[in-house]
Amino acid sequence: AQKVTQAQTEISVVEKEDVTLDCVYETRDTTYYLFWYKQPPSGELVFLIRRNSFDEQNEISGRYSWNFQKSTSSFNFTITASQVVDSAVYFCALSEARDNYGQNFVFGPGTRLSVLP
Amino acid sequence: DGGITQSPKYLFRKEGQNVTLSCEQNLNHDAMYWYRQDPGQGLRLIYYSQIVNDFQKGDIAEGYSVSREKKESFPLTVTSAQKNPTAFYLCASSMRYRAGNEQFFGPGTRLTVL
Repeated sequence: AQKVTQAQTEISVVEKEDVTLDCVYETRDTTYYLFWYKQPPSGELVFLIRRNSFDEQNEISGRYSWNFQKSTSSFNFTITASQVVDSAVYFCALSEARDNYGQNFVFGPGTRLSVLP
Repeated sequence: DGGITQSPKYLFRKEGQNVTLSCEQNLNHDAMYWYRQDPGQGLRLIYYSQIVNDFQKGDIAEGYSVSREKKESFPLTVTSAQKNPTAFYLCASSMRYRAGNEQFFGPGTRLTVL
């Protein structure tokens, strides 16, 4: 069984504040992949990052950073110095391998981030 | 530009009518997916296709049908059997149907049943 939990349904911050979006996952597999996607008001999901289970290095991309901790089954996403354009719904997702090279891909429920000017 | 297109952007349907949502990709991806998103909710998988001429039911396939006659195209038909079809529909594709392959999404179609 697998599950992705994003406990924060909605978060509001004021512009320039830092904000962390939490993602906790459950899996029995040793090999799996984690993703973050952004869904702006336009509706299209935008891929942000993929991380495999063997790479626990944190990643930074501009104002975005990701903290992957297998010990706590978490893959948290931090936006530094938030901007109004960061307002969106953010989804965490988990992908596991299945027989015959298939996969099981599950999205979390999403966190709605509102950045106020 | 490579990407995924969905049409129409907005669609209105009368109860009892079937309607088909278009999804086209020029990324040369083998796998394609249809998701449904209800207001304030996450994504639920309707159907997926690993390769042309193949498709499988997802978690909420009842009342929907698909075809995959061409690699680039994966249309979704919402039939009259779908009890509550008003939702936002997203099409996606990935290079392969393999763990770790990121999915790329189209702009979505918002379907409203009148």
